[in-house]
Order: sequence, then structure tokens, then C-alpha cells
Amino acid sequence: GQNIDQPTEMTATEGAIVQINCTYQTSGFNGLFWYQQHAGEAPTFLSYNVLDGLEEKGRFSSFLSRSKGYSYLLLKELQMKDSASYLCAVRDSYGGSQGNLIFGKGTKLSVKP
Amino acid sequence: EAEVAQSPRYKITEKSQAVAFWCDPISGHATLYWYRQILGQGPELLVQFQDESVVDDSQLPKDRFSAERLKGVDSTLKIQPAELGDSAMYLCASSPWRGQFADNEQFFGPGTRLTVL
Repeated sequence: GQNIDQPTEMTATEGAIVQINCTYQTSGFNGLFWYQQHAGEAPTFLSYNVLDGLEEKGRFSSFLSRSKGYSYLLLKELQMKDSASYLCAVRDSYGGSQGNLIFGKGTKLSVKP
Repeated sequence: EAEVAQSPRYKITEKSQAVAFWCDPISGHATLYWYRQILGQGPELLVQFQDESVVDDSQLPKDRFSAERLKGVDSTLKIQPAELGDSAMYLCASSPWRGQFADNEQFFGPGTRLTVL
């Protein structure tokens, strides 16, 4: 079966660093995505990993270990505007469902002053 | 900057009524997705189109839901009849994905929030 786990909620302080973990068990794997979603809005793309290792993009970094079925999103220098839900999504390998994303339930991050 | 357009943004209907949602993907994007997102959950795929063809509709409740993308551009998702459990955000996304190994992300529209009374 398909299963993606991430913490439901996290709280952090403005200016700090937070790490949001994601573990997955899927029938296929063709990449892992992180999306940010503010309340009532559409998800927006943050990062993509298909090979093991760390991808850095400004204040955001994402790490992948395919052998462990594990990823994390690292947010540095937290700002109040980073308060949002963070969605981990695995792209199924191709077959009949080319490019389909399987989403976790999301981690709601609250940044406090 | 190109965006995925959806309408309406909000829809309130009574159960047993019919509702329809419209999506216009980013120009040139071959693949279009409809997702349903229940509050507090991640999006769940309902249907995927590549051009005008359905690639995956395995999670679409076909007794009441239908989707079409007749000319391979814009798309309509319909629910008839609506049930209380259909209350959710309906998201449309598009991607240039054509089945190749690529980091083609999906671009999401603003969504239609459906409330069924």
C-alpha cells in the first residue's frame, strides 16, 4: 500500500531552524516533492529530490534517503510568513499513473514571535 | 506569470444538486490533474488527463463524478448528485509532464471550495 507519514503539527520561533520529517512506503518511487500551503490557498512548489542527498534553495533545504524511505525539509531563519502547512508528496513510478503525486496529510507549522 | 485558473472559487449547494467546476491549465501543459482535499488532509488525486485522454481515474467515484477535457486544454469536473461528504476543496493542477523522467512540478490553481448543505 501507499503510506506517507509526517507530523501533524509543529511549533517554532521566529529566526530559528525547523526540520519537518517525512517517511514513505510506496509501490514505486520517481521523486519526492515538498509543497507549502497557506490556509485556504493552493499548494506551491518548494523542492524536489530524486537522488539521495541535500538540495538547497535559499532558506529551504530538502534531504532524501531512498534506502530509508525518508526525507526532511529544513527551514532556516524562520519568518512569520512561514506559518503554513507543508506537504510531502511522492511521485509514483510510471505505469498507468504517470507522474501521479501521493500526498501526506501535511504538517501544520506555526511560527511564533 | 502563467497560472492555472479555476472557477468558481466558492460554491455552496444543497445535497442532490449538480455542481460543475472549471479549470484552465497553464498554456502548453499536456497533463491536467483534479484533486480533492478534505480539510486537514493532503490532496487526493481524482483524475489525470494527458491531452484529452484520461490516464488515471481509478479514484474517481464514477457513479456521481465525471470529468472531461474535450480539446485537451480546459477541463470540467462535475458532481451529480452532490452529497454531504463531497464538501472539500477541489484543486486543479497542470504539468508539462509527458511521461519522461524529469522534475516537472505540478502547478496548482487556487481551488474551488465546495460546501454541500
